[in-house]
Amino acid sequence: KNEVEQSPQNLTAQEGEFITINCSYSVGISALHWLQQHPGGGIVSLFMLSSGKKKHGRLIATINIQEKHSSLHITASHPRDSAVYICAVSDQGGSEKLVFGKGTKLTVNP
Amino acid sequence: NAGVTQTPKFRILKIGQSMTLQCTQDMNHNYMYWYRQDPGMGLKLIYYSVGAGITDKGEVPNGYNVSRSTTEDFPLRLELAAPSQTSVYFCASSRTGGWGNDQPQHFGDGTRLSIL
Repeated sequence: KNEVEQSPQNLTAQEGEFITINCSYSVGISALHWLQQHPGGGIVSLFMLSSGKKKHGRLIATINIQEKHSSLHITASHPRDSAVYICAVSDQGGSEKLVFGKGTKLTVNP
Repeated sequence: NAGVTQTPKFRILKIGQSMTLQCTQDMNHNYMYWYRQDPGMGLKLIYYSVGAGITDKGEVPNGYNVSRSTTEDFPLRLELAAPSQTSVYFCASSRTGGWGNDQPQHFGDGTRLSIL
């Protein structure tokens, strides 16, 4: 069974700072997901990665399959980026069963 | 499109009561999922379905039942509510699952359930 570890658990930044959130997993995967959970509780899928790097606006997600590690970067952070960021992985073989990390709570102060 | 709709948003139950959490999606997605989220813990999969008439257990299925009679609907049933089932429940859907498909899961807004 895969274990997903995120770091840091909590992160406070000043507006404009570059943010990095890390995710490590223990066994091979078919895909890795980054999700954002808003303070109101809603969850939105940000990225789904199986290799390399993806970019959407100020968000960049990278994955290193050999090292079993992914990072989510936020450039020019803004208070509206304050949320919990969740990493999740799906096992090799096409499993639909995601295993989730506990999340990283990001607070961006103006 | 409404996406994934969950009802109710909040509910308080007494121990031993039963209830059904409703989930419907209008994206014609084949895959649907139920998760629970406990404070300080990651989301955990309760049940999932890969199509109408097909359901399977996730990581924490005990105390719950599901059915999938249509593509759109995937209700979650609690038969005998217990305090350990106090949680926030999320329903999600995706077009497909599996390796190599860039098909993210779409989540409902959640149901906050308290068992007293």
